[in-house]
Amino acid sequence: DQQVKQNSPSLSVQEGRISILNCDYTNSMFDYFLWYKKYPAEGPTFLISISSIKDKNEDGRFTVFLNKSAKHLSLHIVPSQPGDSAVYFCAASGNQFYFGTGTSLTVIP
Amino acid sequence: DVKVTQSSRYLVKRTGEKVFLECVQDMDHENMFWYRQDPGLGLRLIYFSYDVKMKEKGDIPEGYSVSREKKERFSLILESASTNQTSMYLCASSLWNKGQGADGYTFGSGTRLTVV
Repeated sequence: DQQVKQNSPSLSVQEGRISILNCDYTNSMFDYFLWYKKYPAEGPTFLISISSIKDKNEDGRFTVFLNKSAKHLSLHIVPSQPGDSAVYFCAASGNQFYFGTGTSLTVIP
Repeated sequence: DVKVTQSSRYLVKRTGEKVFLECVQDMDHENMFWYRQDPGLGLRLIYFSYDVKMKEKGDIPEGYSVSREKKERFSLILESASTNQTSMYLCASSLWNKGQGADGYTFGSGTRLTVV
């Protein structure tokens, strides 16, 4: 029973354009959300987070949006760079962290 | 910087072998976790521990056990390795049990285990 879903397994974007990665969750009690980035043969690294009391958090080129009523969050990367090519996992905090299945982003030079 | 170190990057084991995956963190975190990552399934929690000698089952504990004799070390044990345990194993630690705070969990680099 997947409580956090990333419905797009992969995404390709041209360098300089916006990348939008989406994540849906089912449990309205989740109160903290994070995005992790993972390169092959490395562990995931923290990218950005958002508390449920906010609807937006920005850090440089990365912005996370939270729509609690829709149980949806998204990660925007602007402008996208080739080094952003990686697998992105969203995670939601309940009594443990629940991770999505990941979206593989490819930024084409 | 918090560091989570997994002792092996790649392992190849035979079916039926007992396998130990070791994880050490150096930031005095109370909480440690073992996940496996498989294509299309994301990160799935195997076991976690909130304190020394404490352990809790995650979502997929079958075929695994854990040991936490010291705060900094959390070991994952495959009692009798099977081919369906071929996967990437990731260890993580955090200060709070929900991983809340600036960066949630800190992950190790992973161990790619192949069971033949």
